[in-house]
Amino acid sequence: SQQGEEDPQALSIQEGENATMNCSYKTSINNLQWYRQNSGRGLVHLILIRSNEREKHSGRLRVTLDTSKKSSSLLITASRAADTASYFCATDGQAGTALIFGKGTTLSVSS
Amino acid sequence: DAGVIQSPRHEVTEMGQEVTLRCKPISGHDYLFWYRQTMMRGLELLIYFNNNVPIDDSGMPEDRFSAKMPNASFSTLKIQPSEPRDSAVYFCASSLTGYYGYTFGSGTRLTVV
Repeated sequence: SQQGEEDPQALSIQEGENATMNCSYKTSINNLQWYRQNSGRGLVHLILIRSNEREKHSGRLRVTLDTSKKSSSLLITASRAADTASYFCATDGQAGTALIFGKGTTLSVSS
Repeated sequence: DAGVIQSPRHEVTEMGQEVTLRCKPISGHDYLFWYRQTMMRGLELLIYFNNNVPIDDSGMPEDRFSAKMPNASFSTLKIQPSEPRDSAVYFCASSLTGYYGYTFGSGTRLTVV
């Protein structure tokens, strides 16, 4: 079953623009994570935000978490063609369970 | 470390045949996960192991699917008999904990004709 749902499903932007992806989830979580998947490859862990955190930064990535709305957003600033990939949010749902992934947002950055 | 290694990368088989997918996790990772990815259903958790013991196999779709982890460095996912609806990309992932920083393999693209 899907815990997280990303929005939009697809996003096309120009290099240098910012890209924002959103994730909504259903149940209480301990943390929320974002992963990237390049075409034909496995997922790569990008960033984790804990349930008691509201914002986290890593390089050009900024993640926010609103537990009252059960939602998170991933912002990629000054996007590059190399950022073209699918981005997934993942939640643990309950402690001791494996990560459940959303269906992802496909980001296309054109130069 | 070479990362999580999956084999084969591609598998084409006829309906009714047995298929075995293989995974070598990162040394020292205590958790191993099998996921299936399709366009329609996204990434689905099939089963995961902790210290070689299956913890949750509720995602295994049918009795035709089975998974084993005979030791800390090897796991298999077997489908017998295979059906066209099993066509998907199957990923193996491992991690130190059960809920953080999964490392995924490159996947096995299975096509059942």
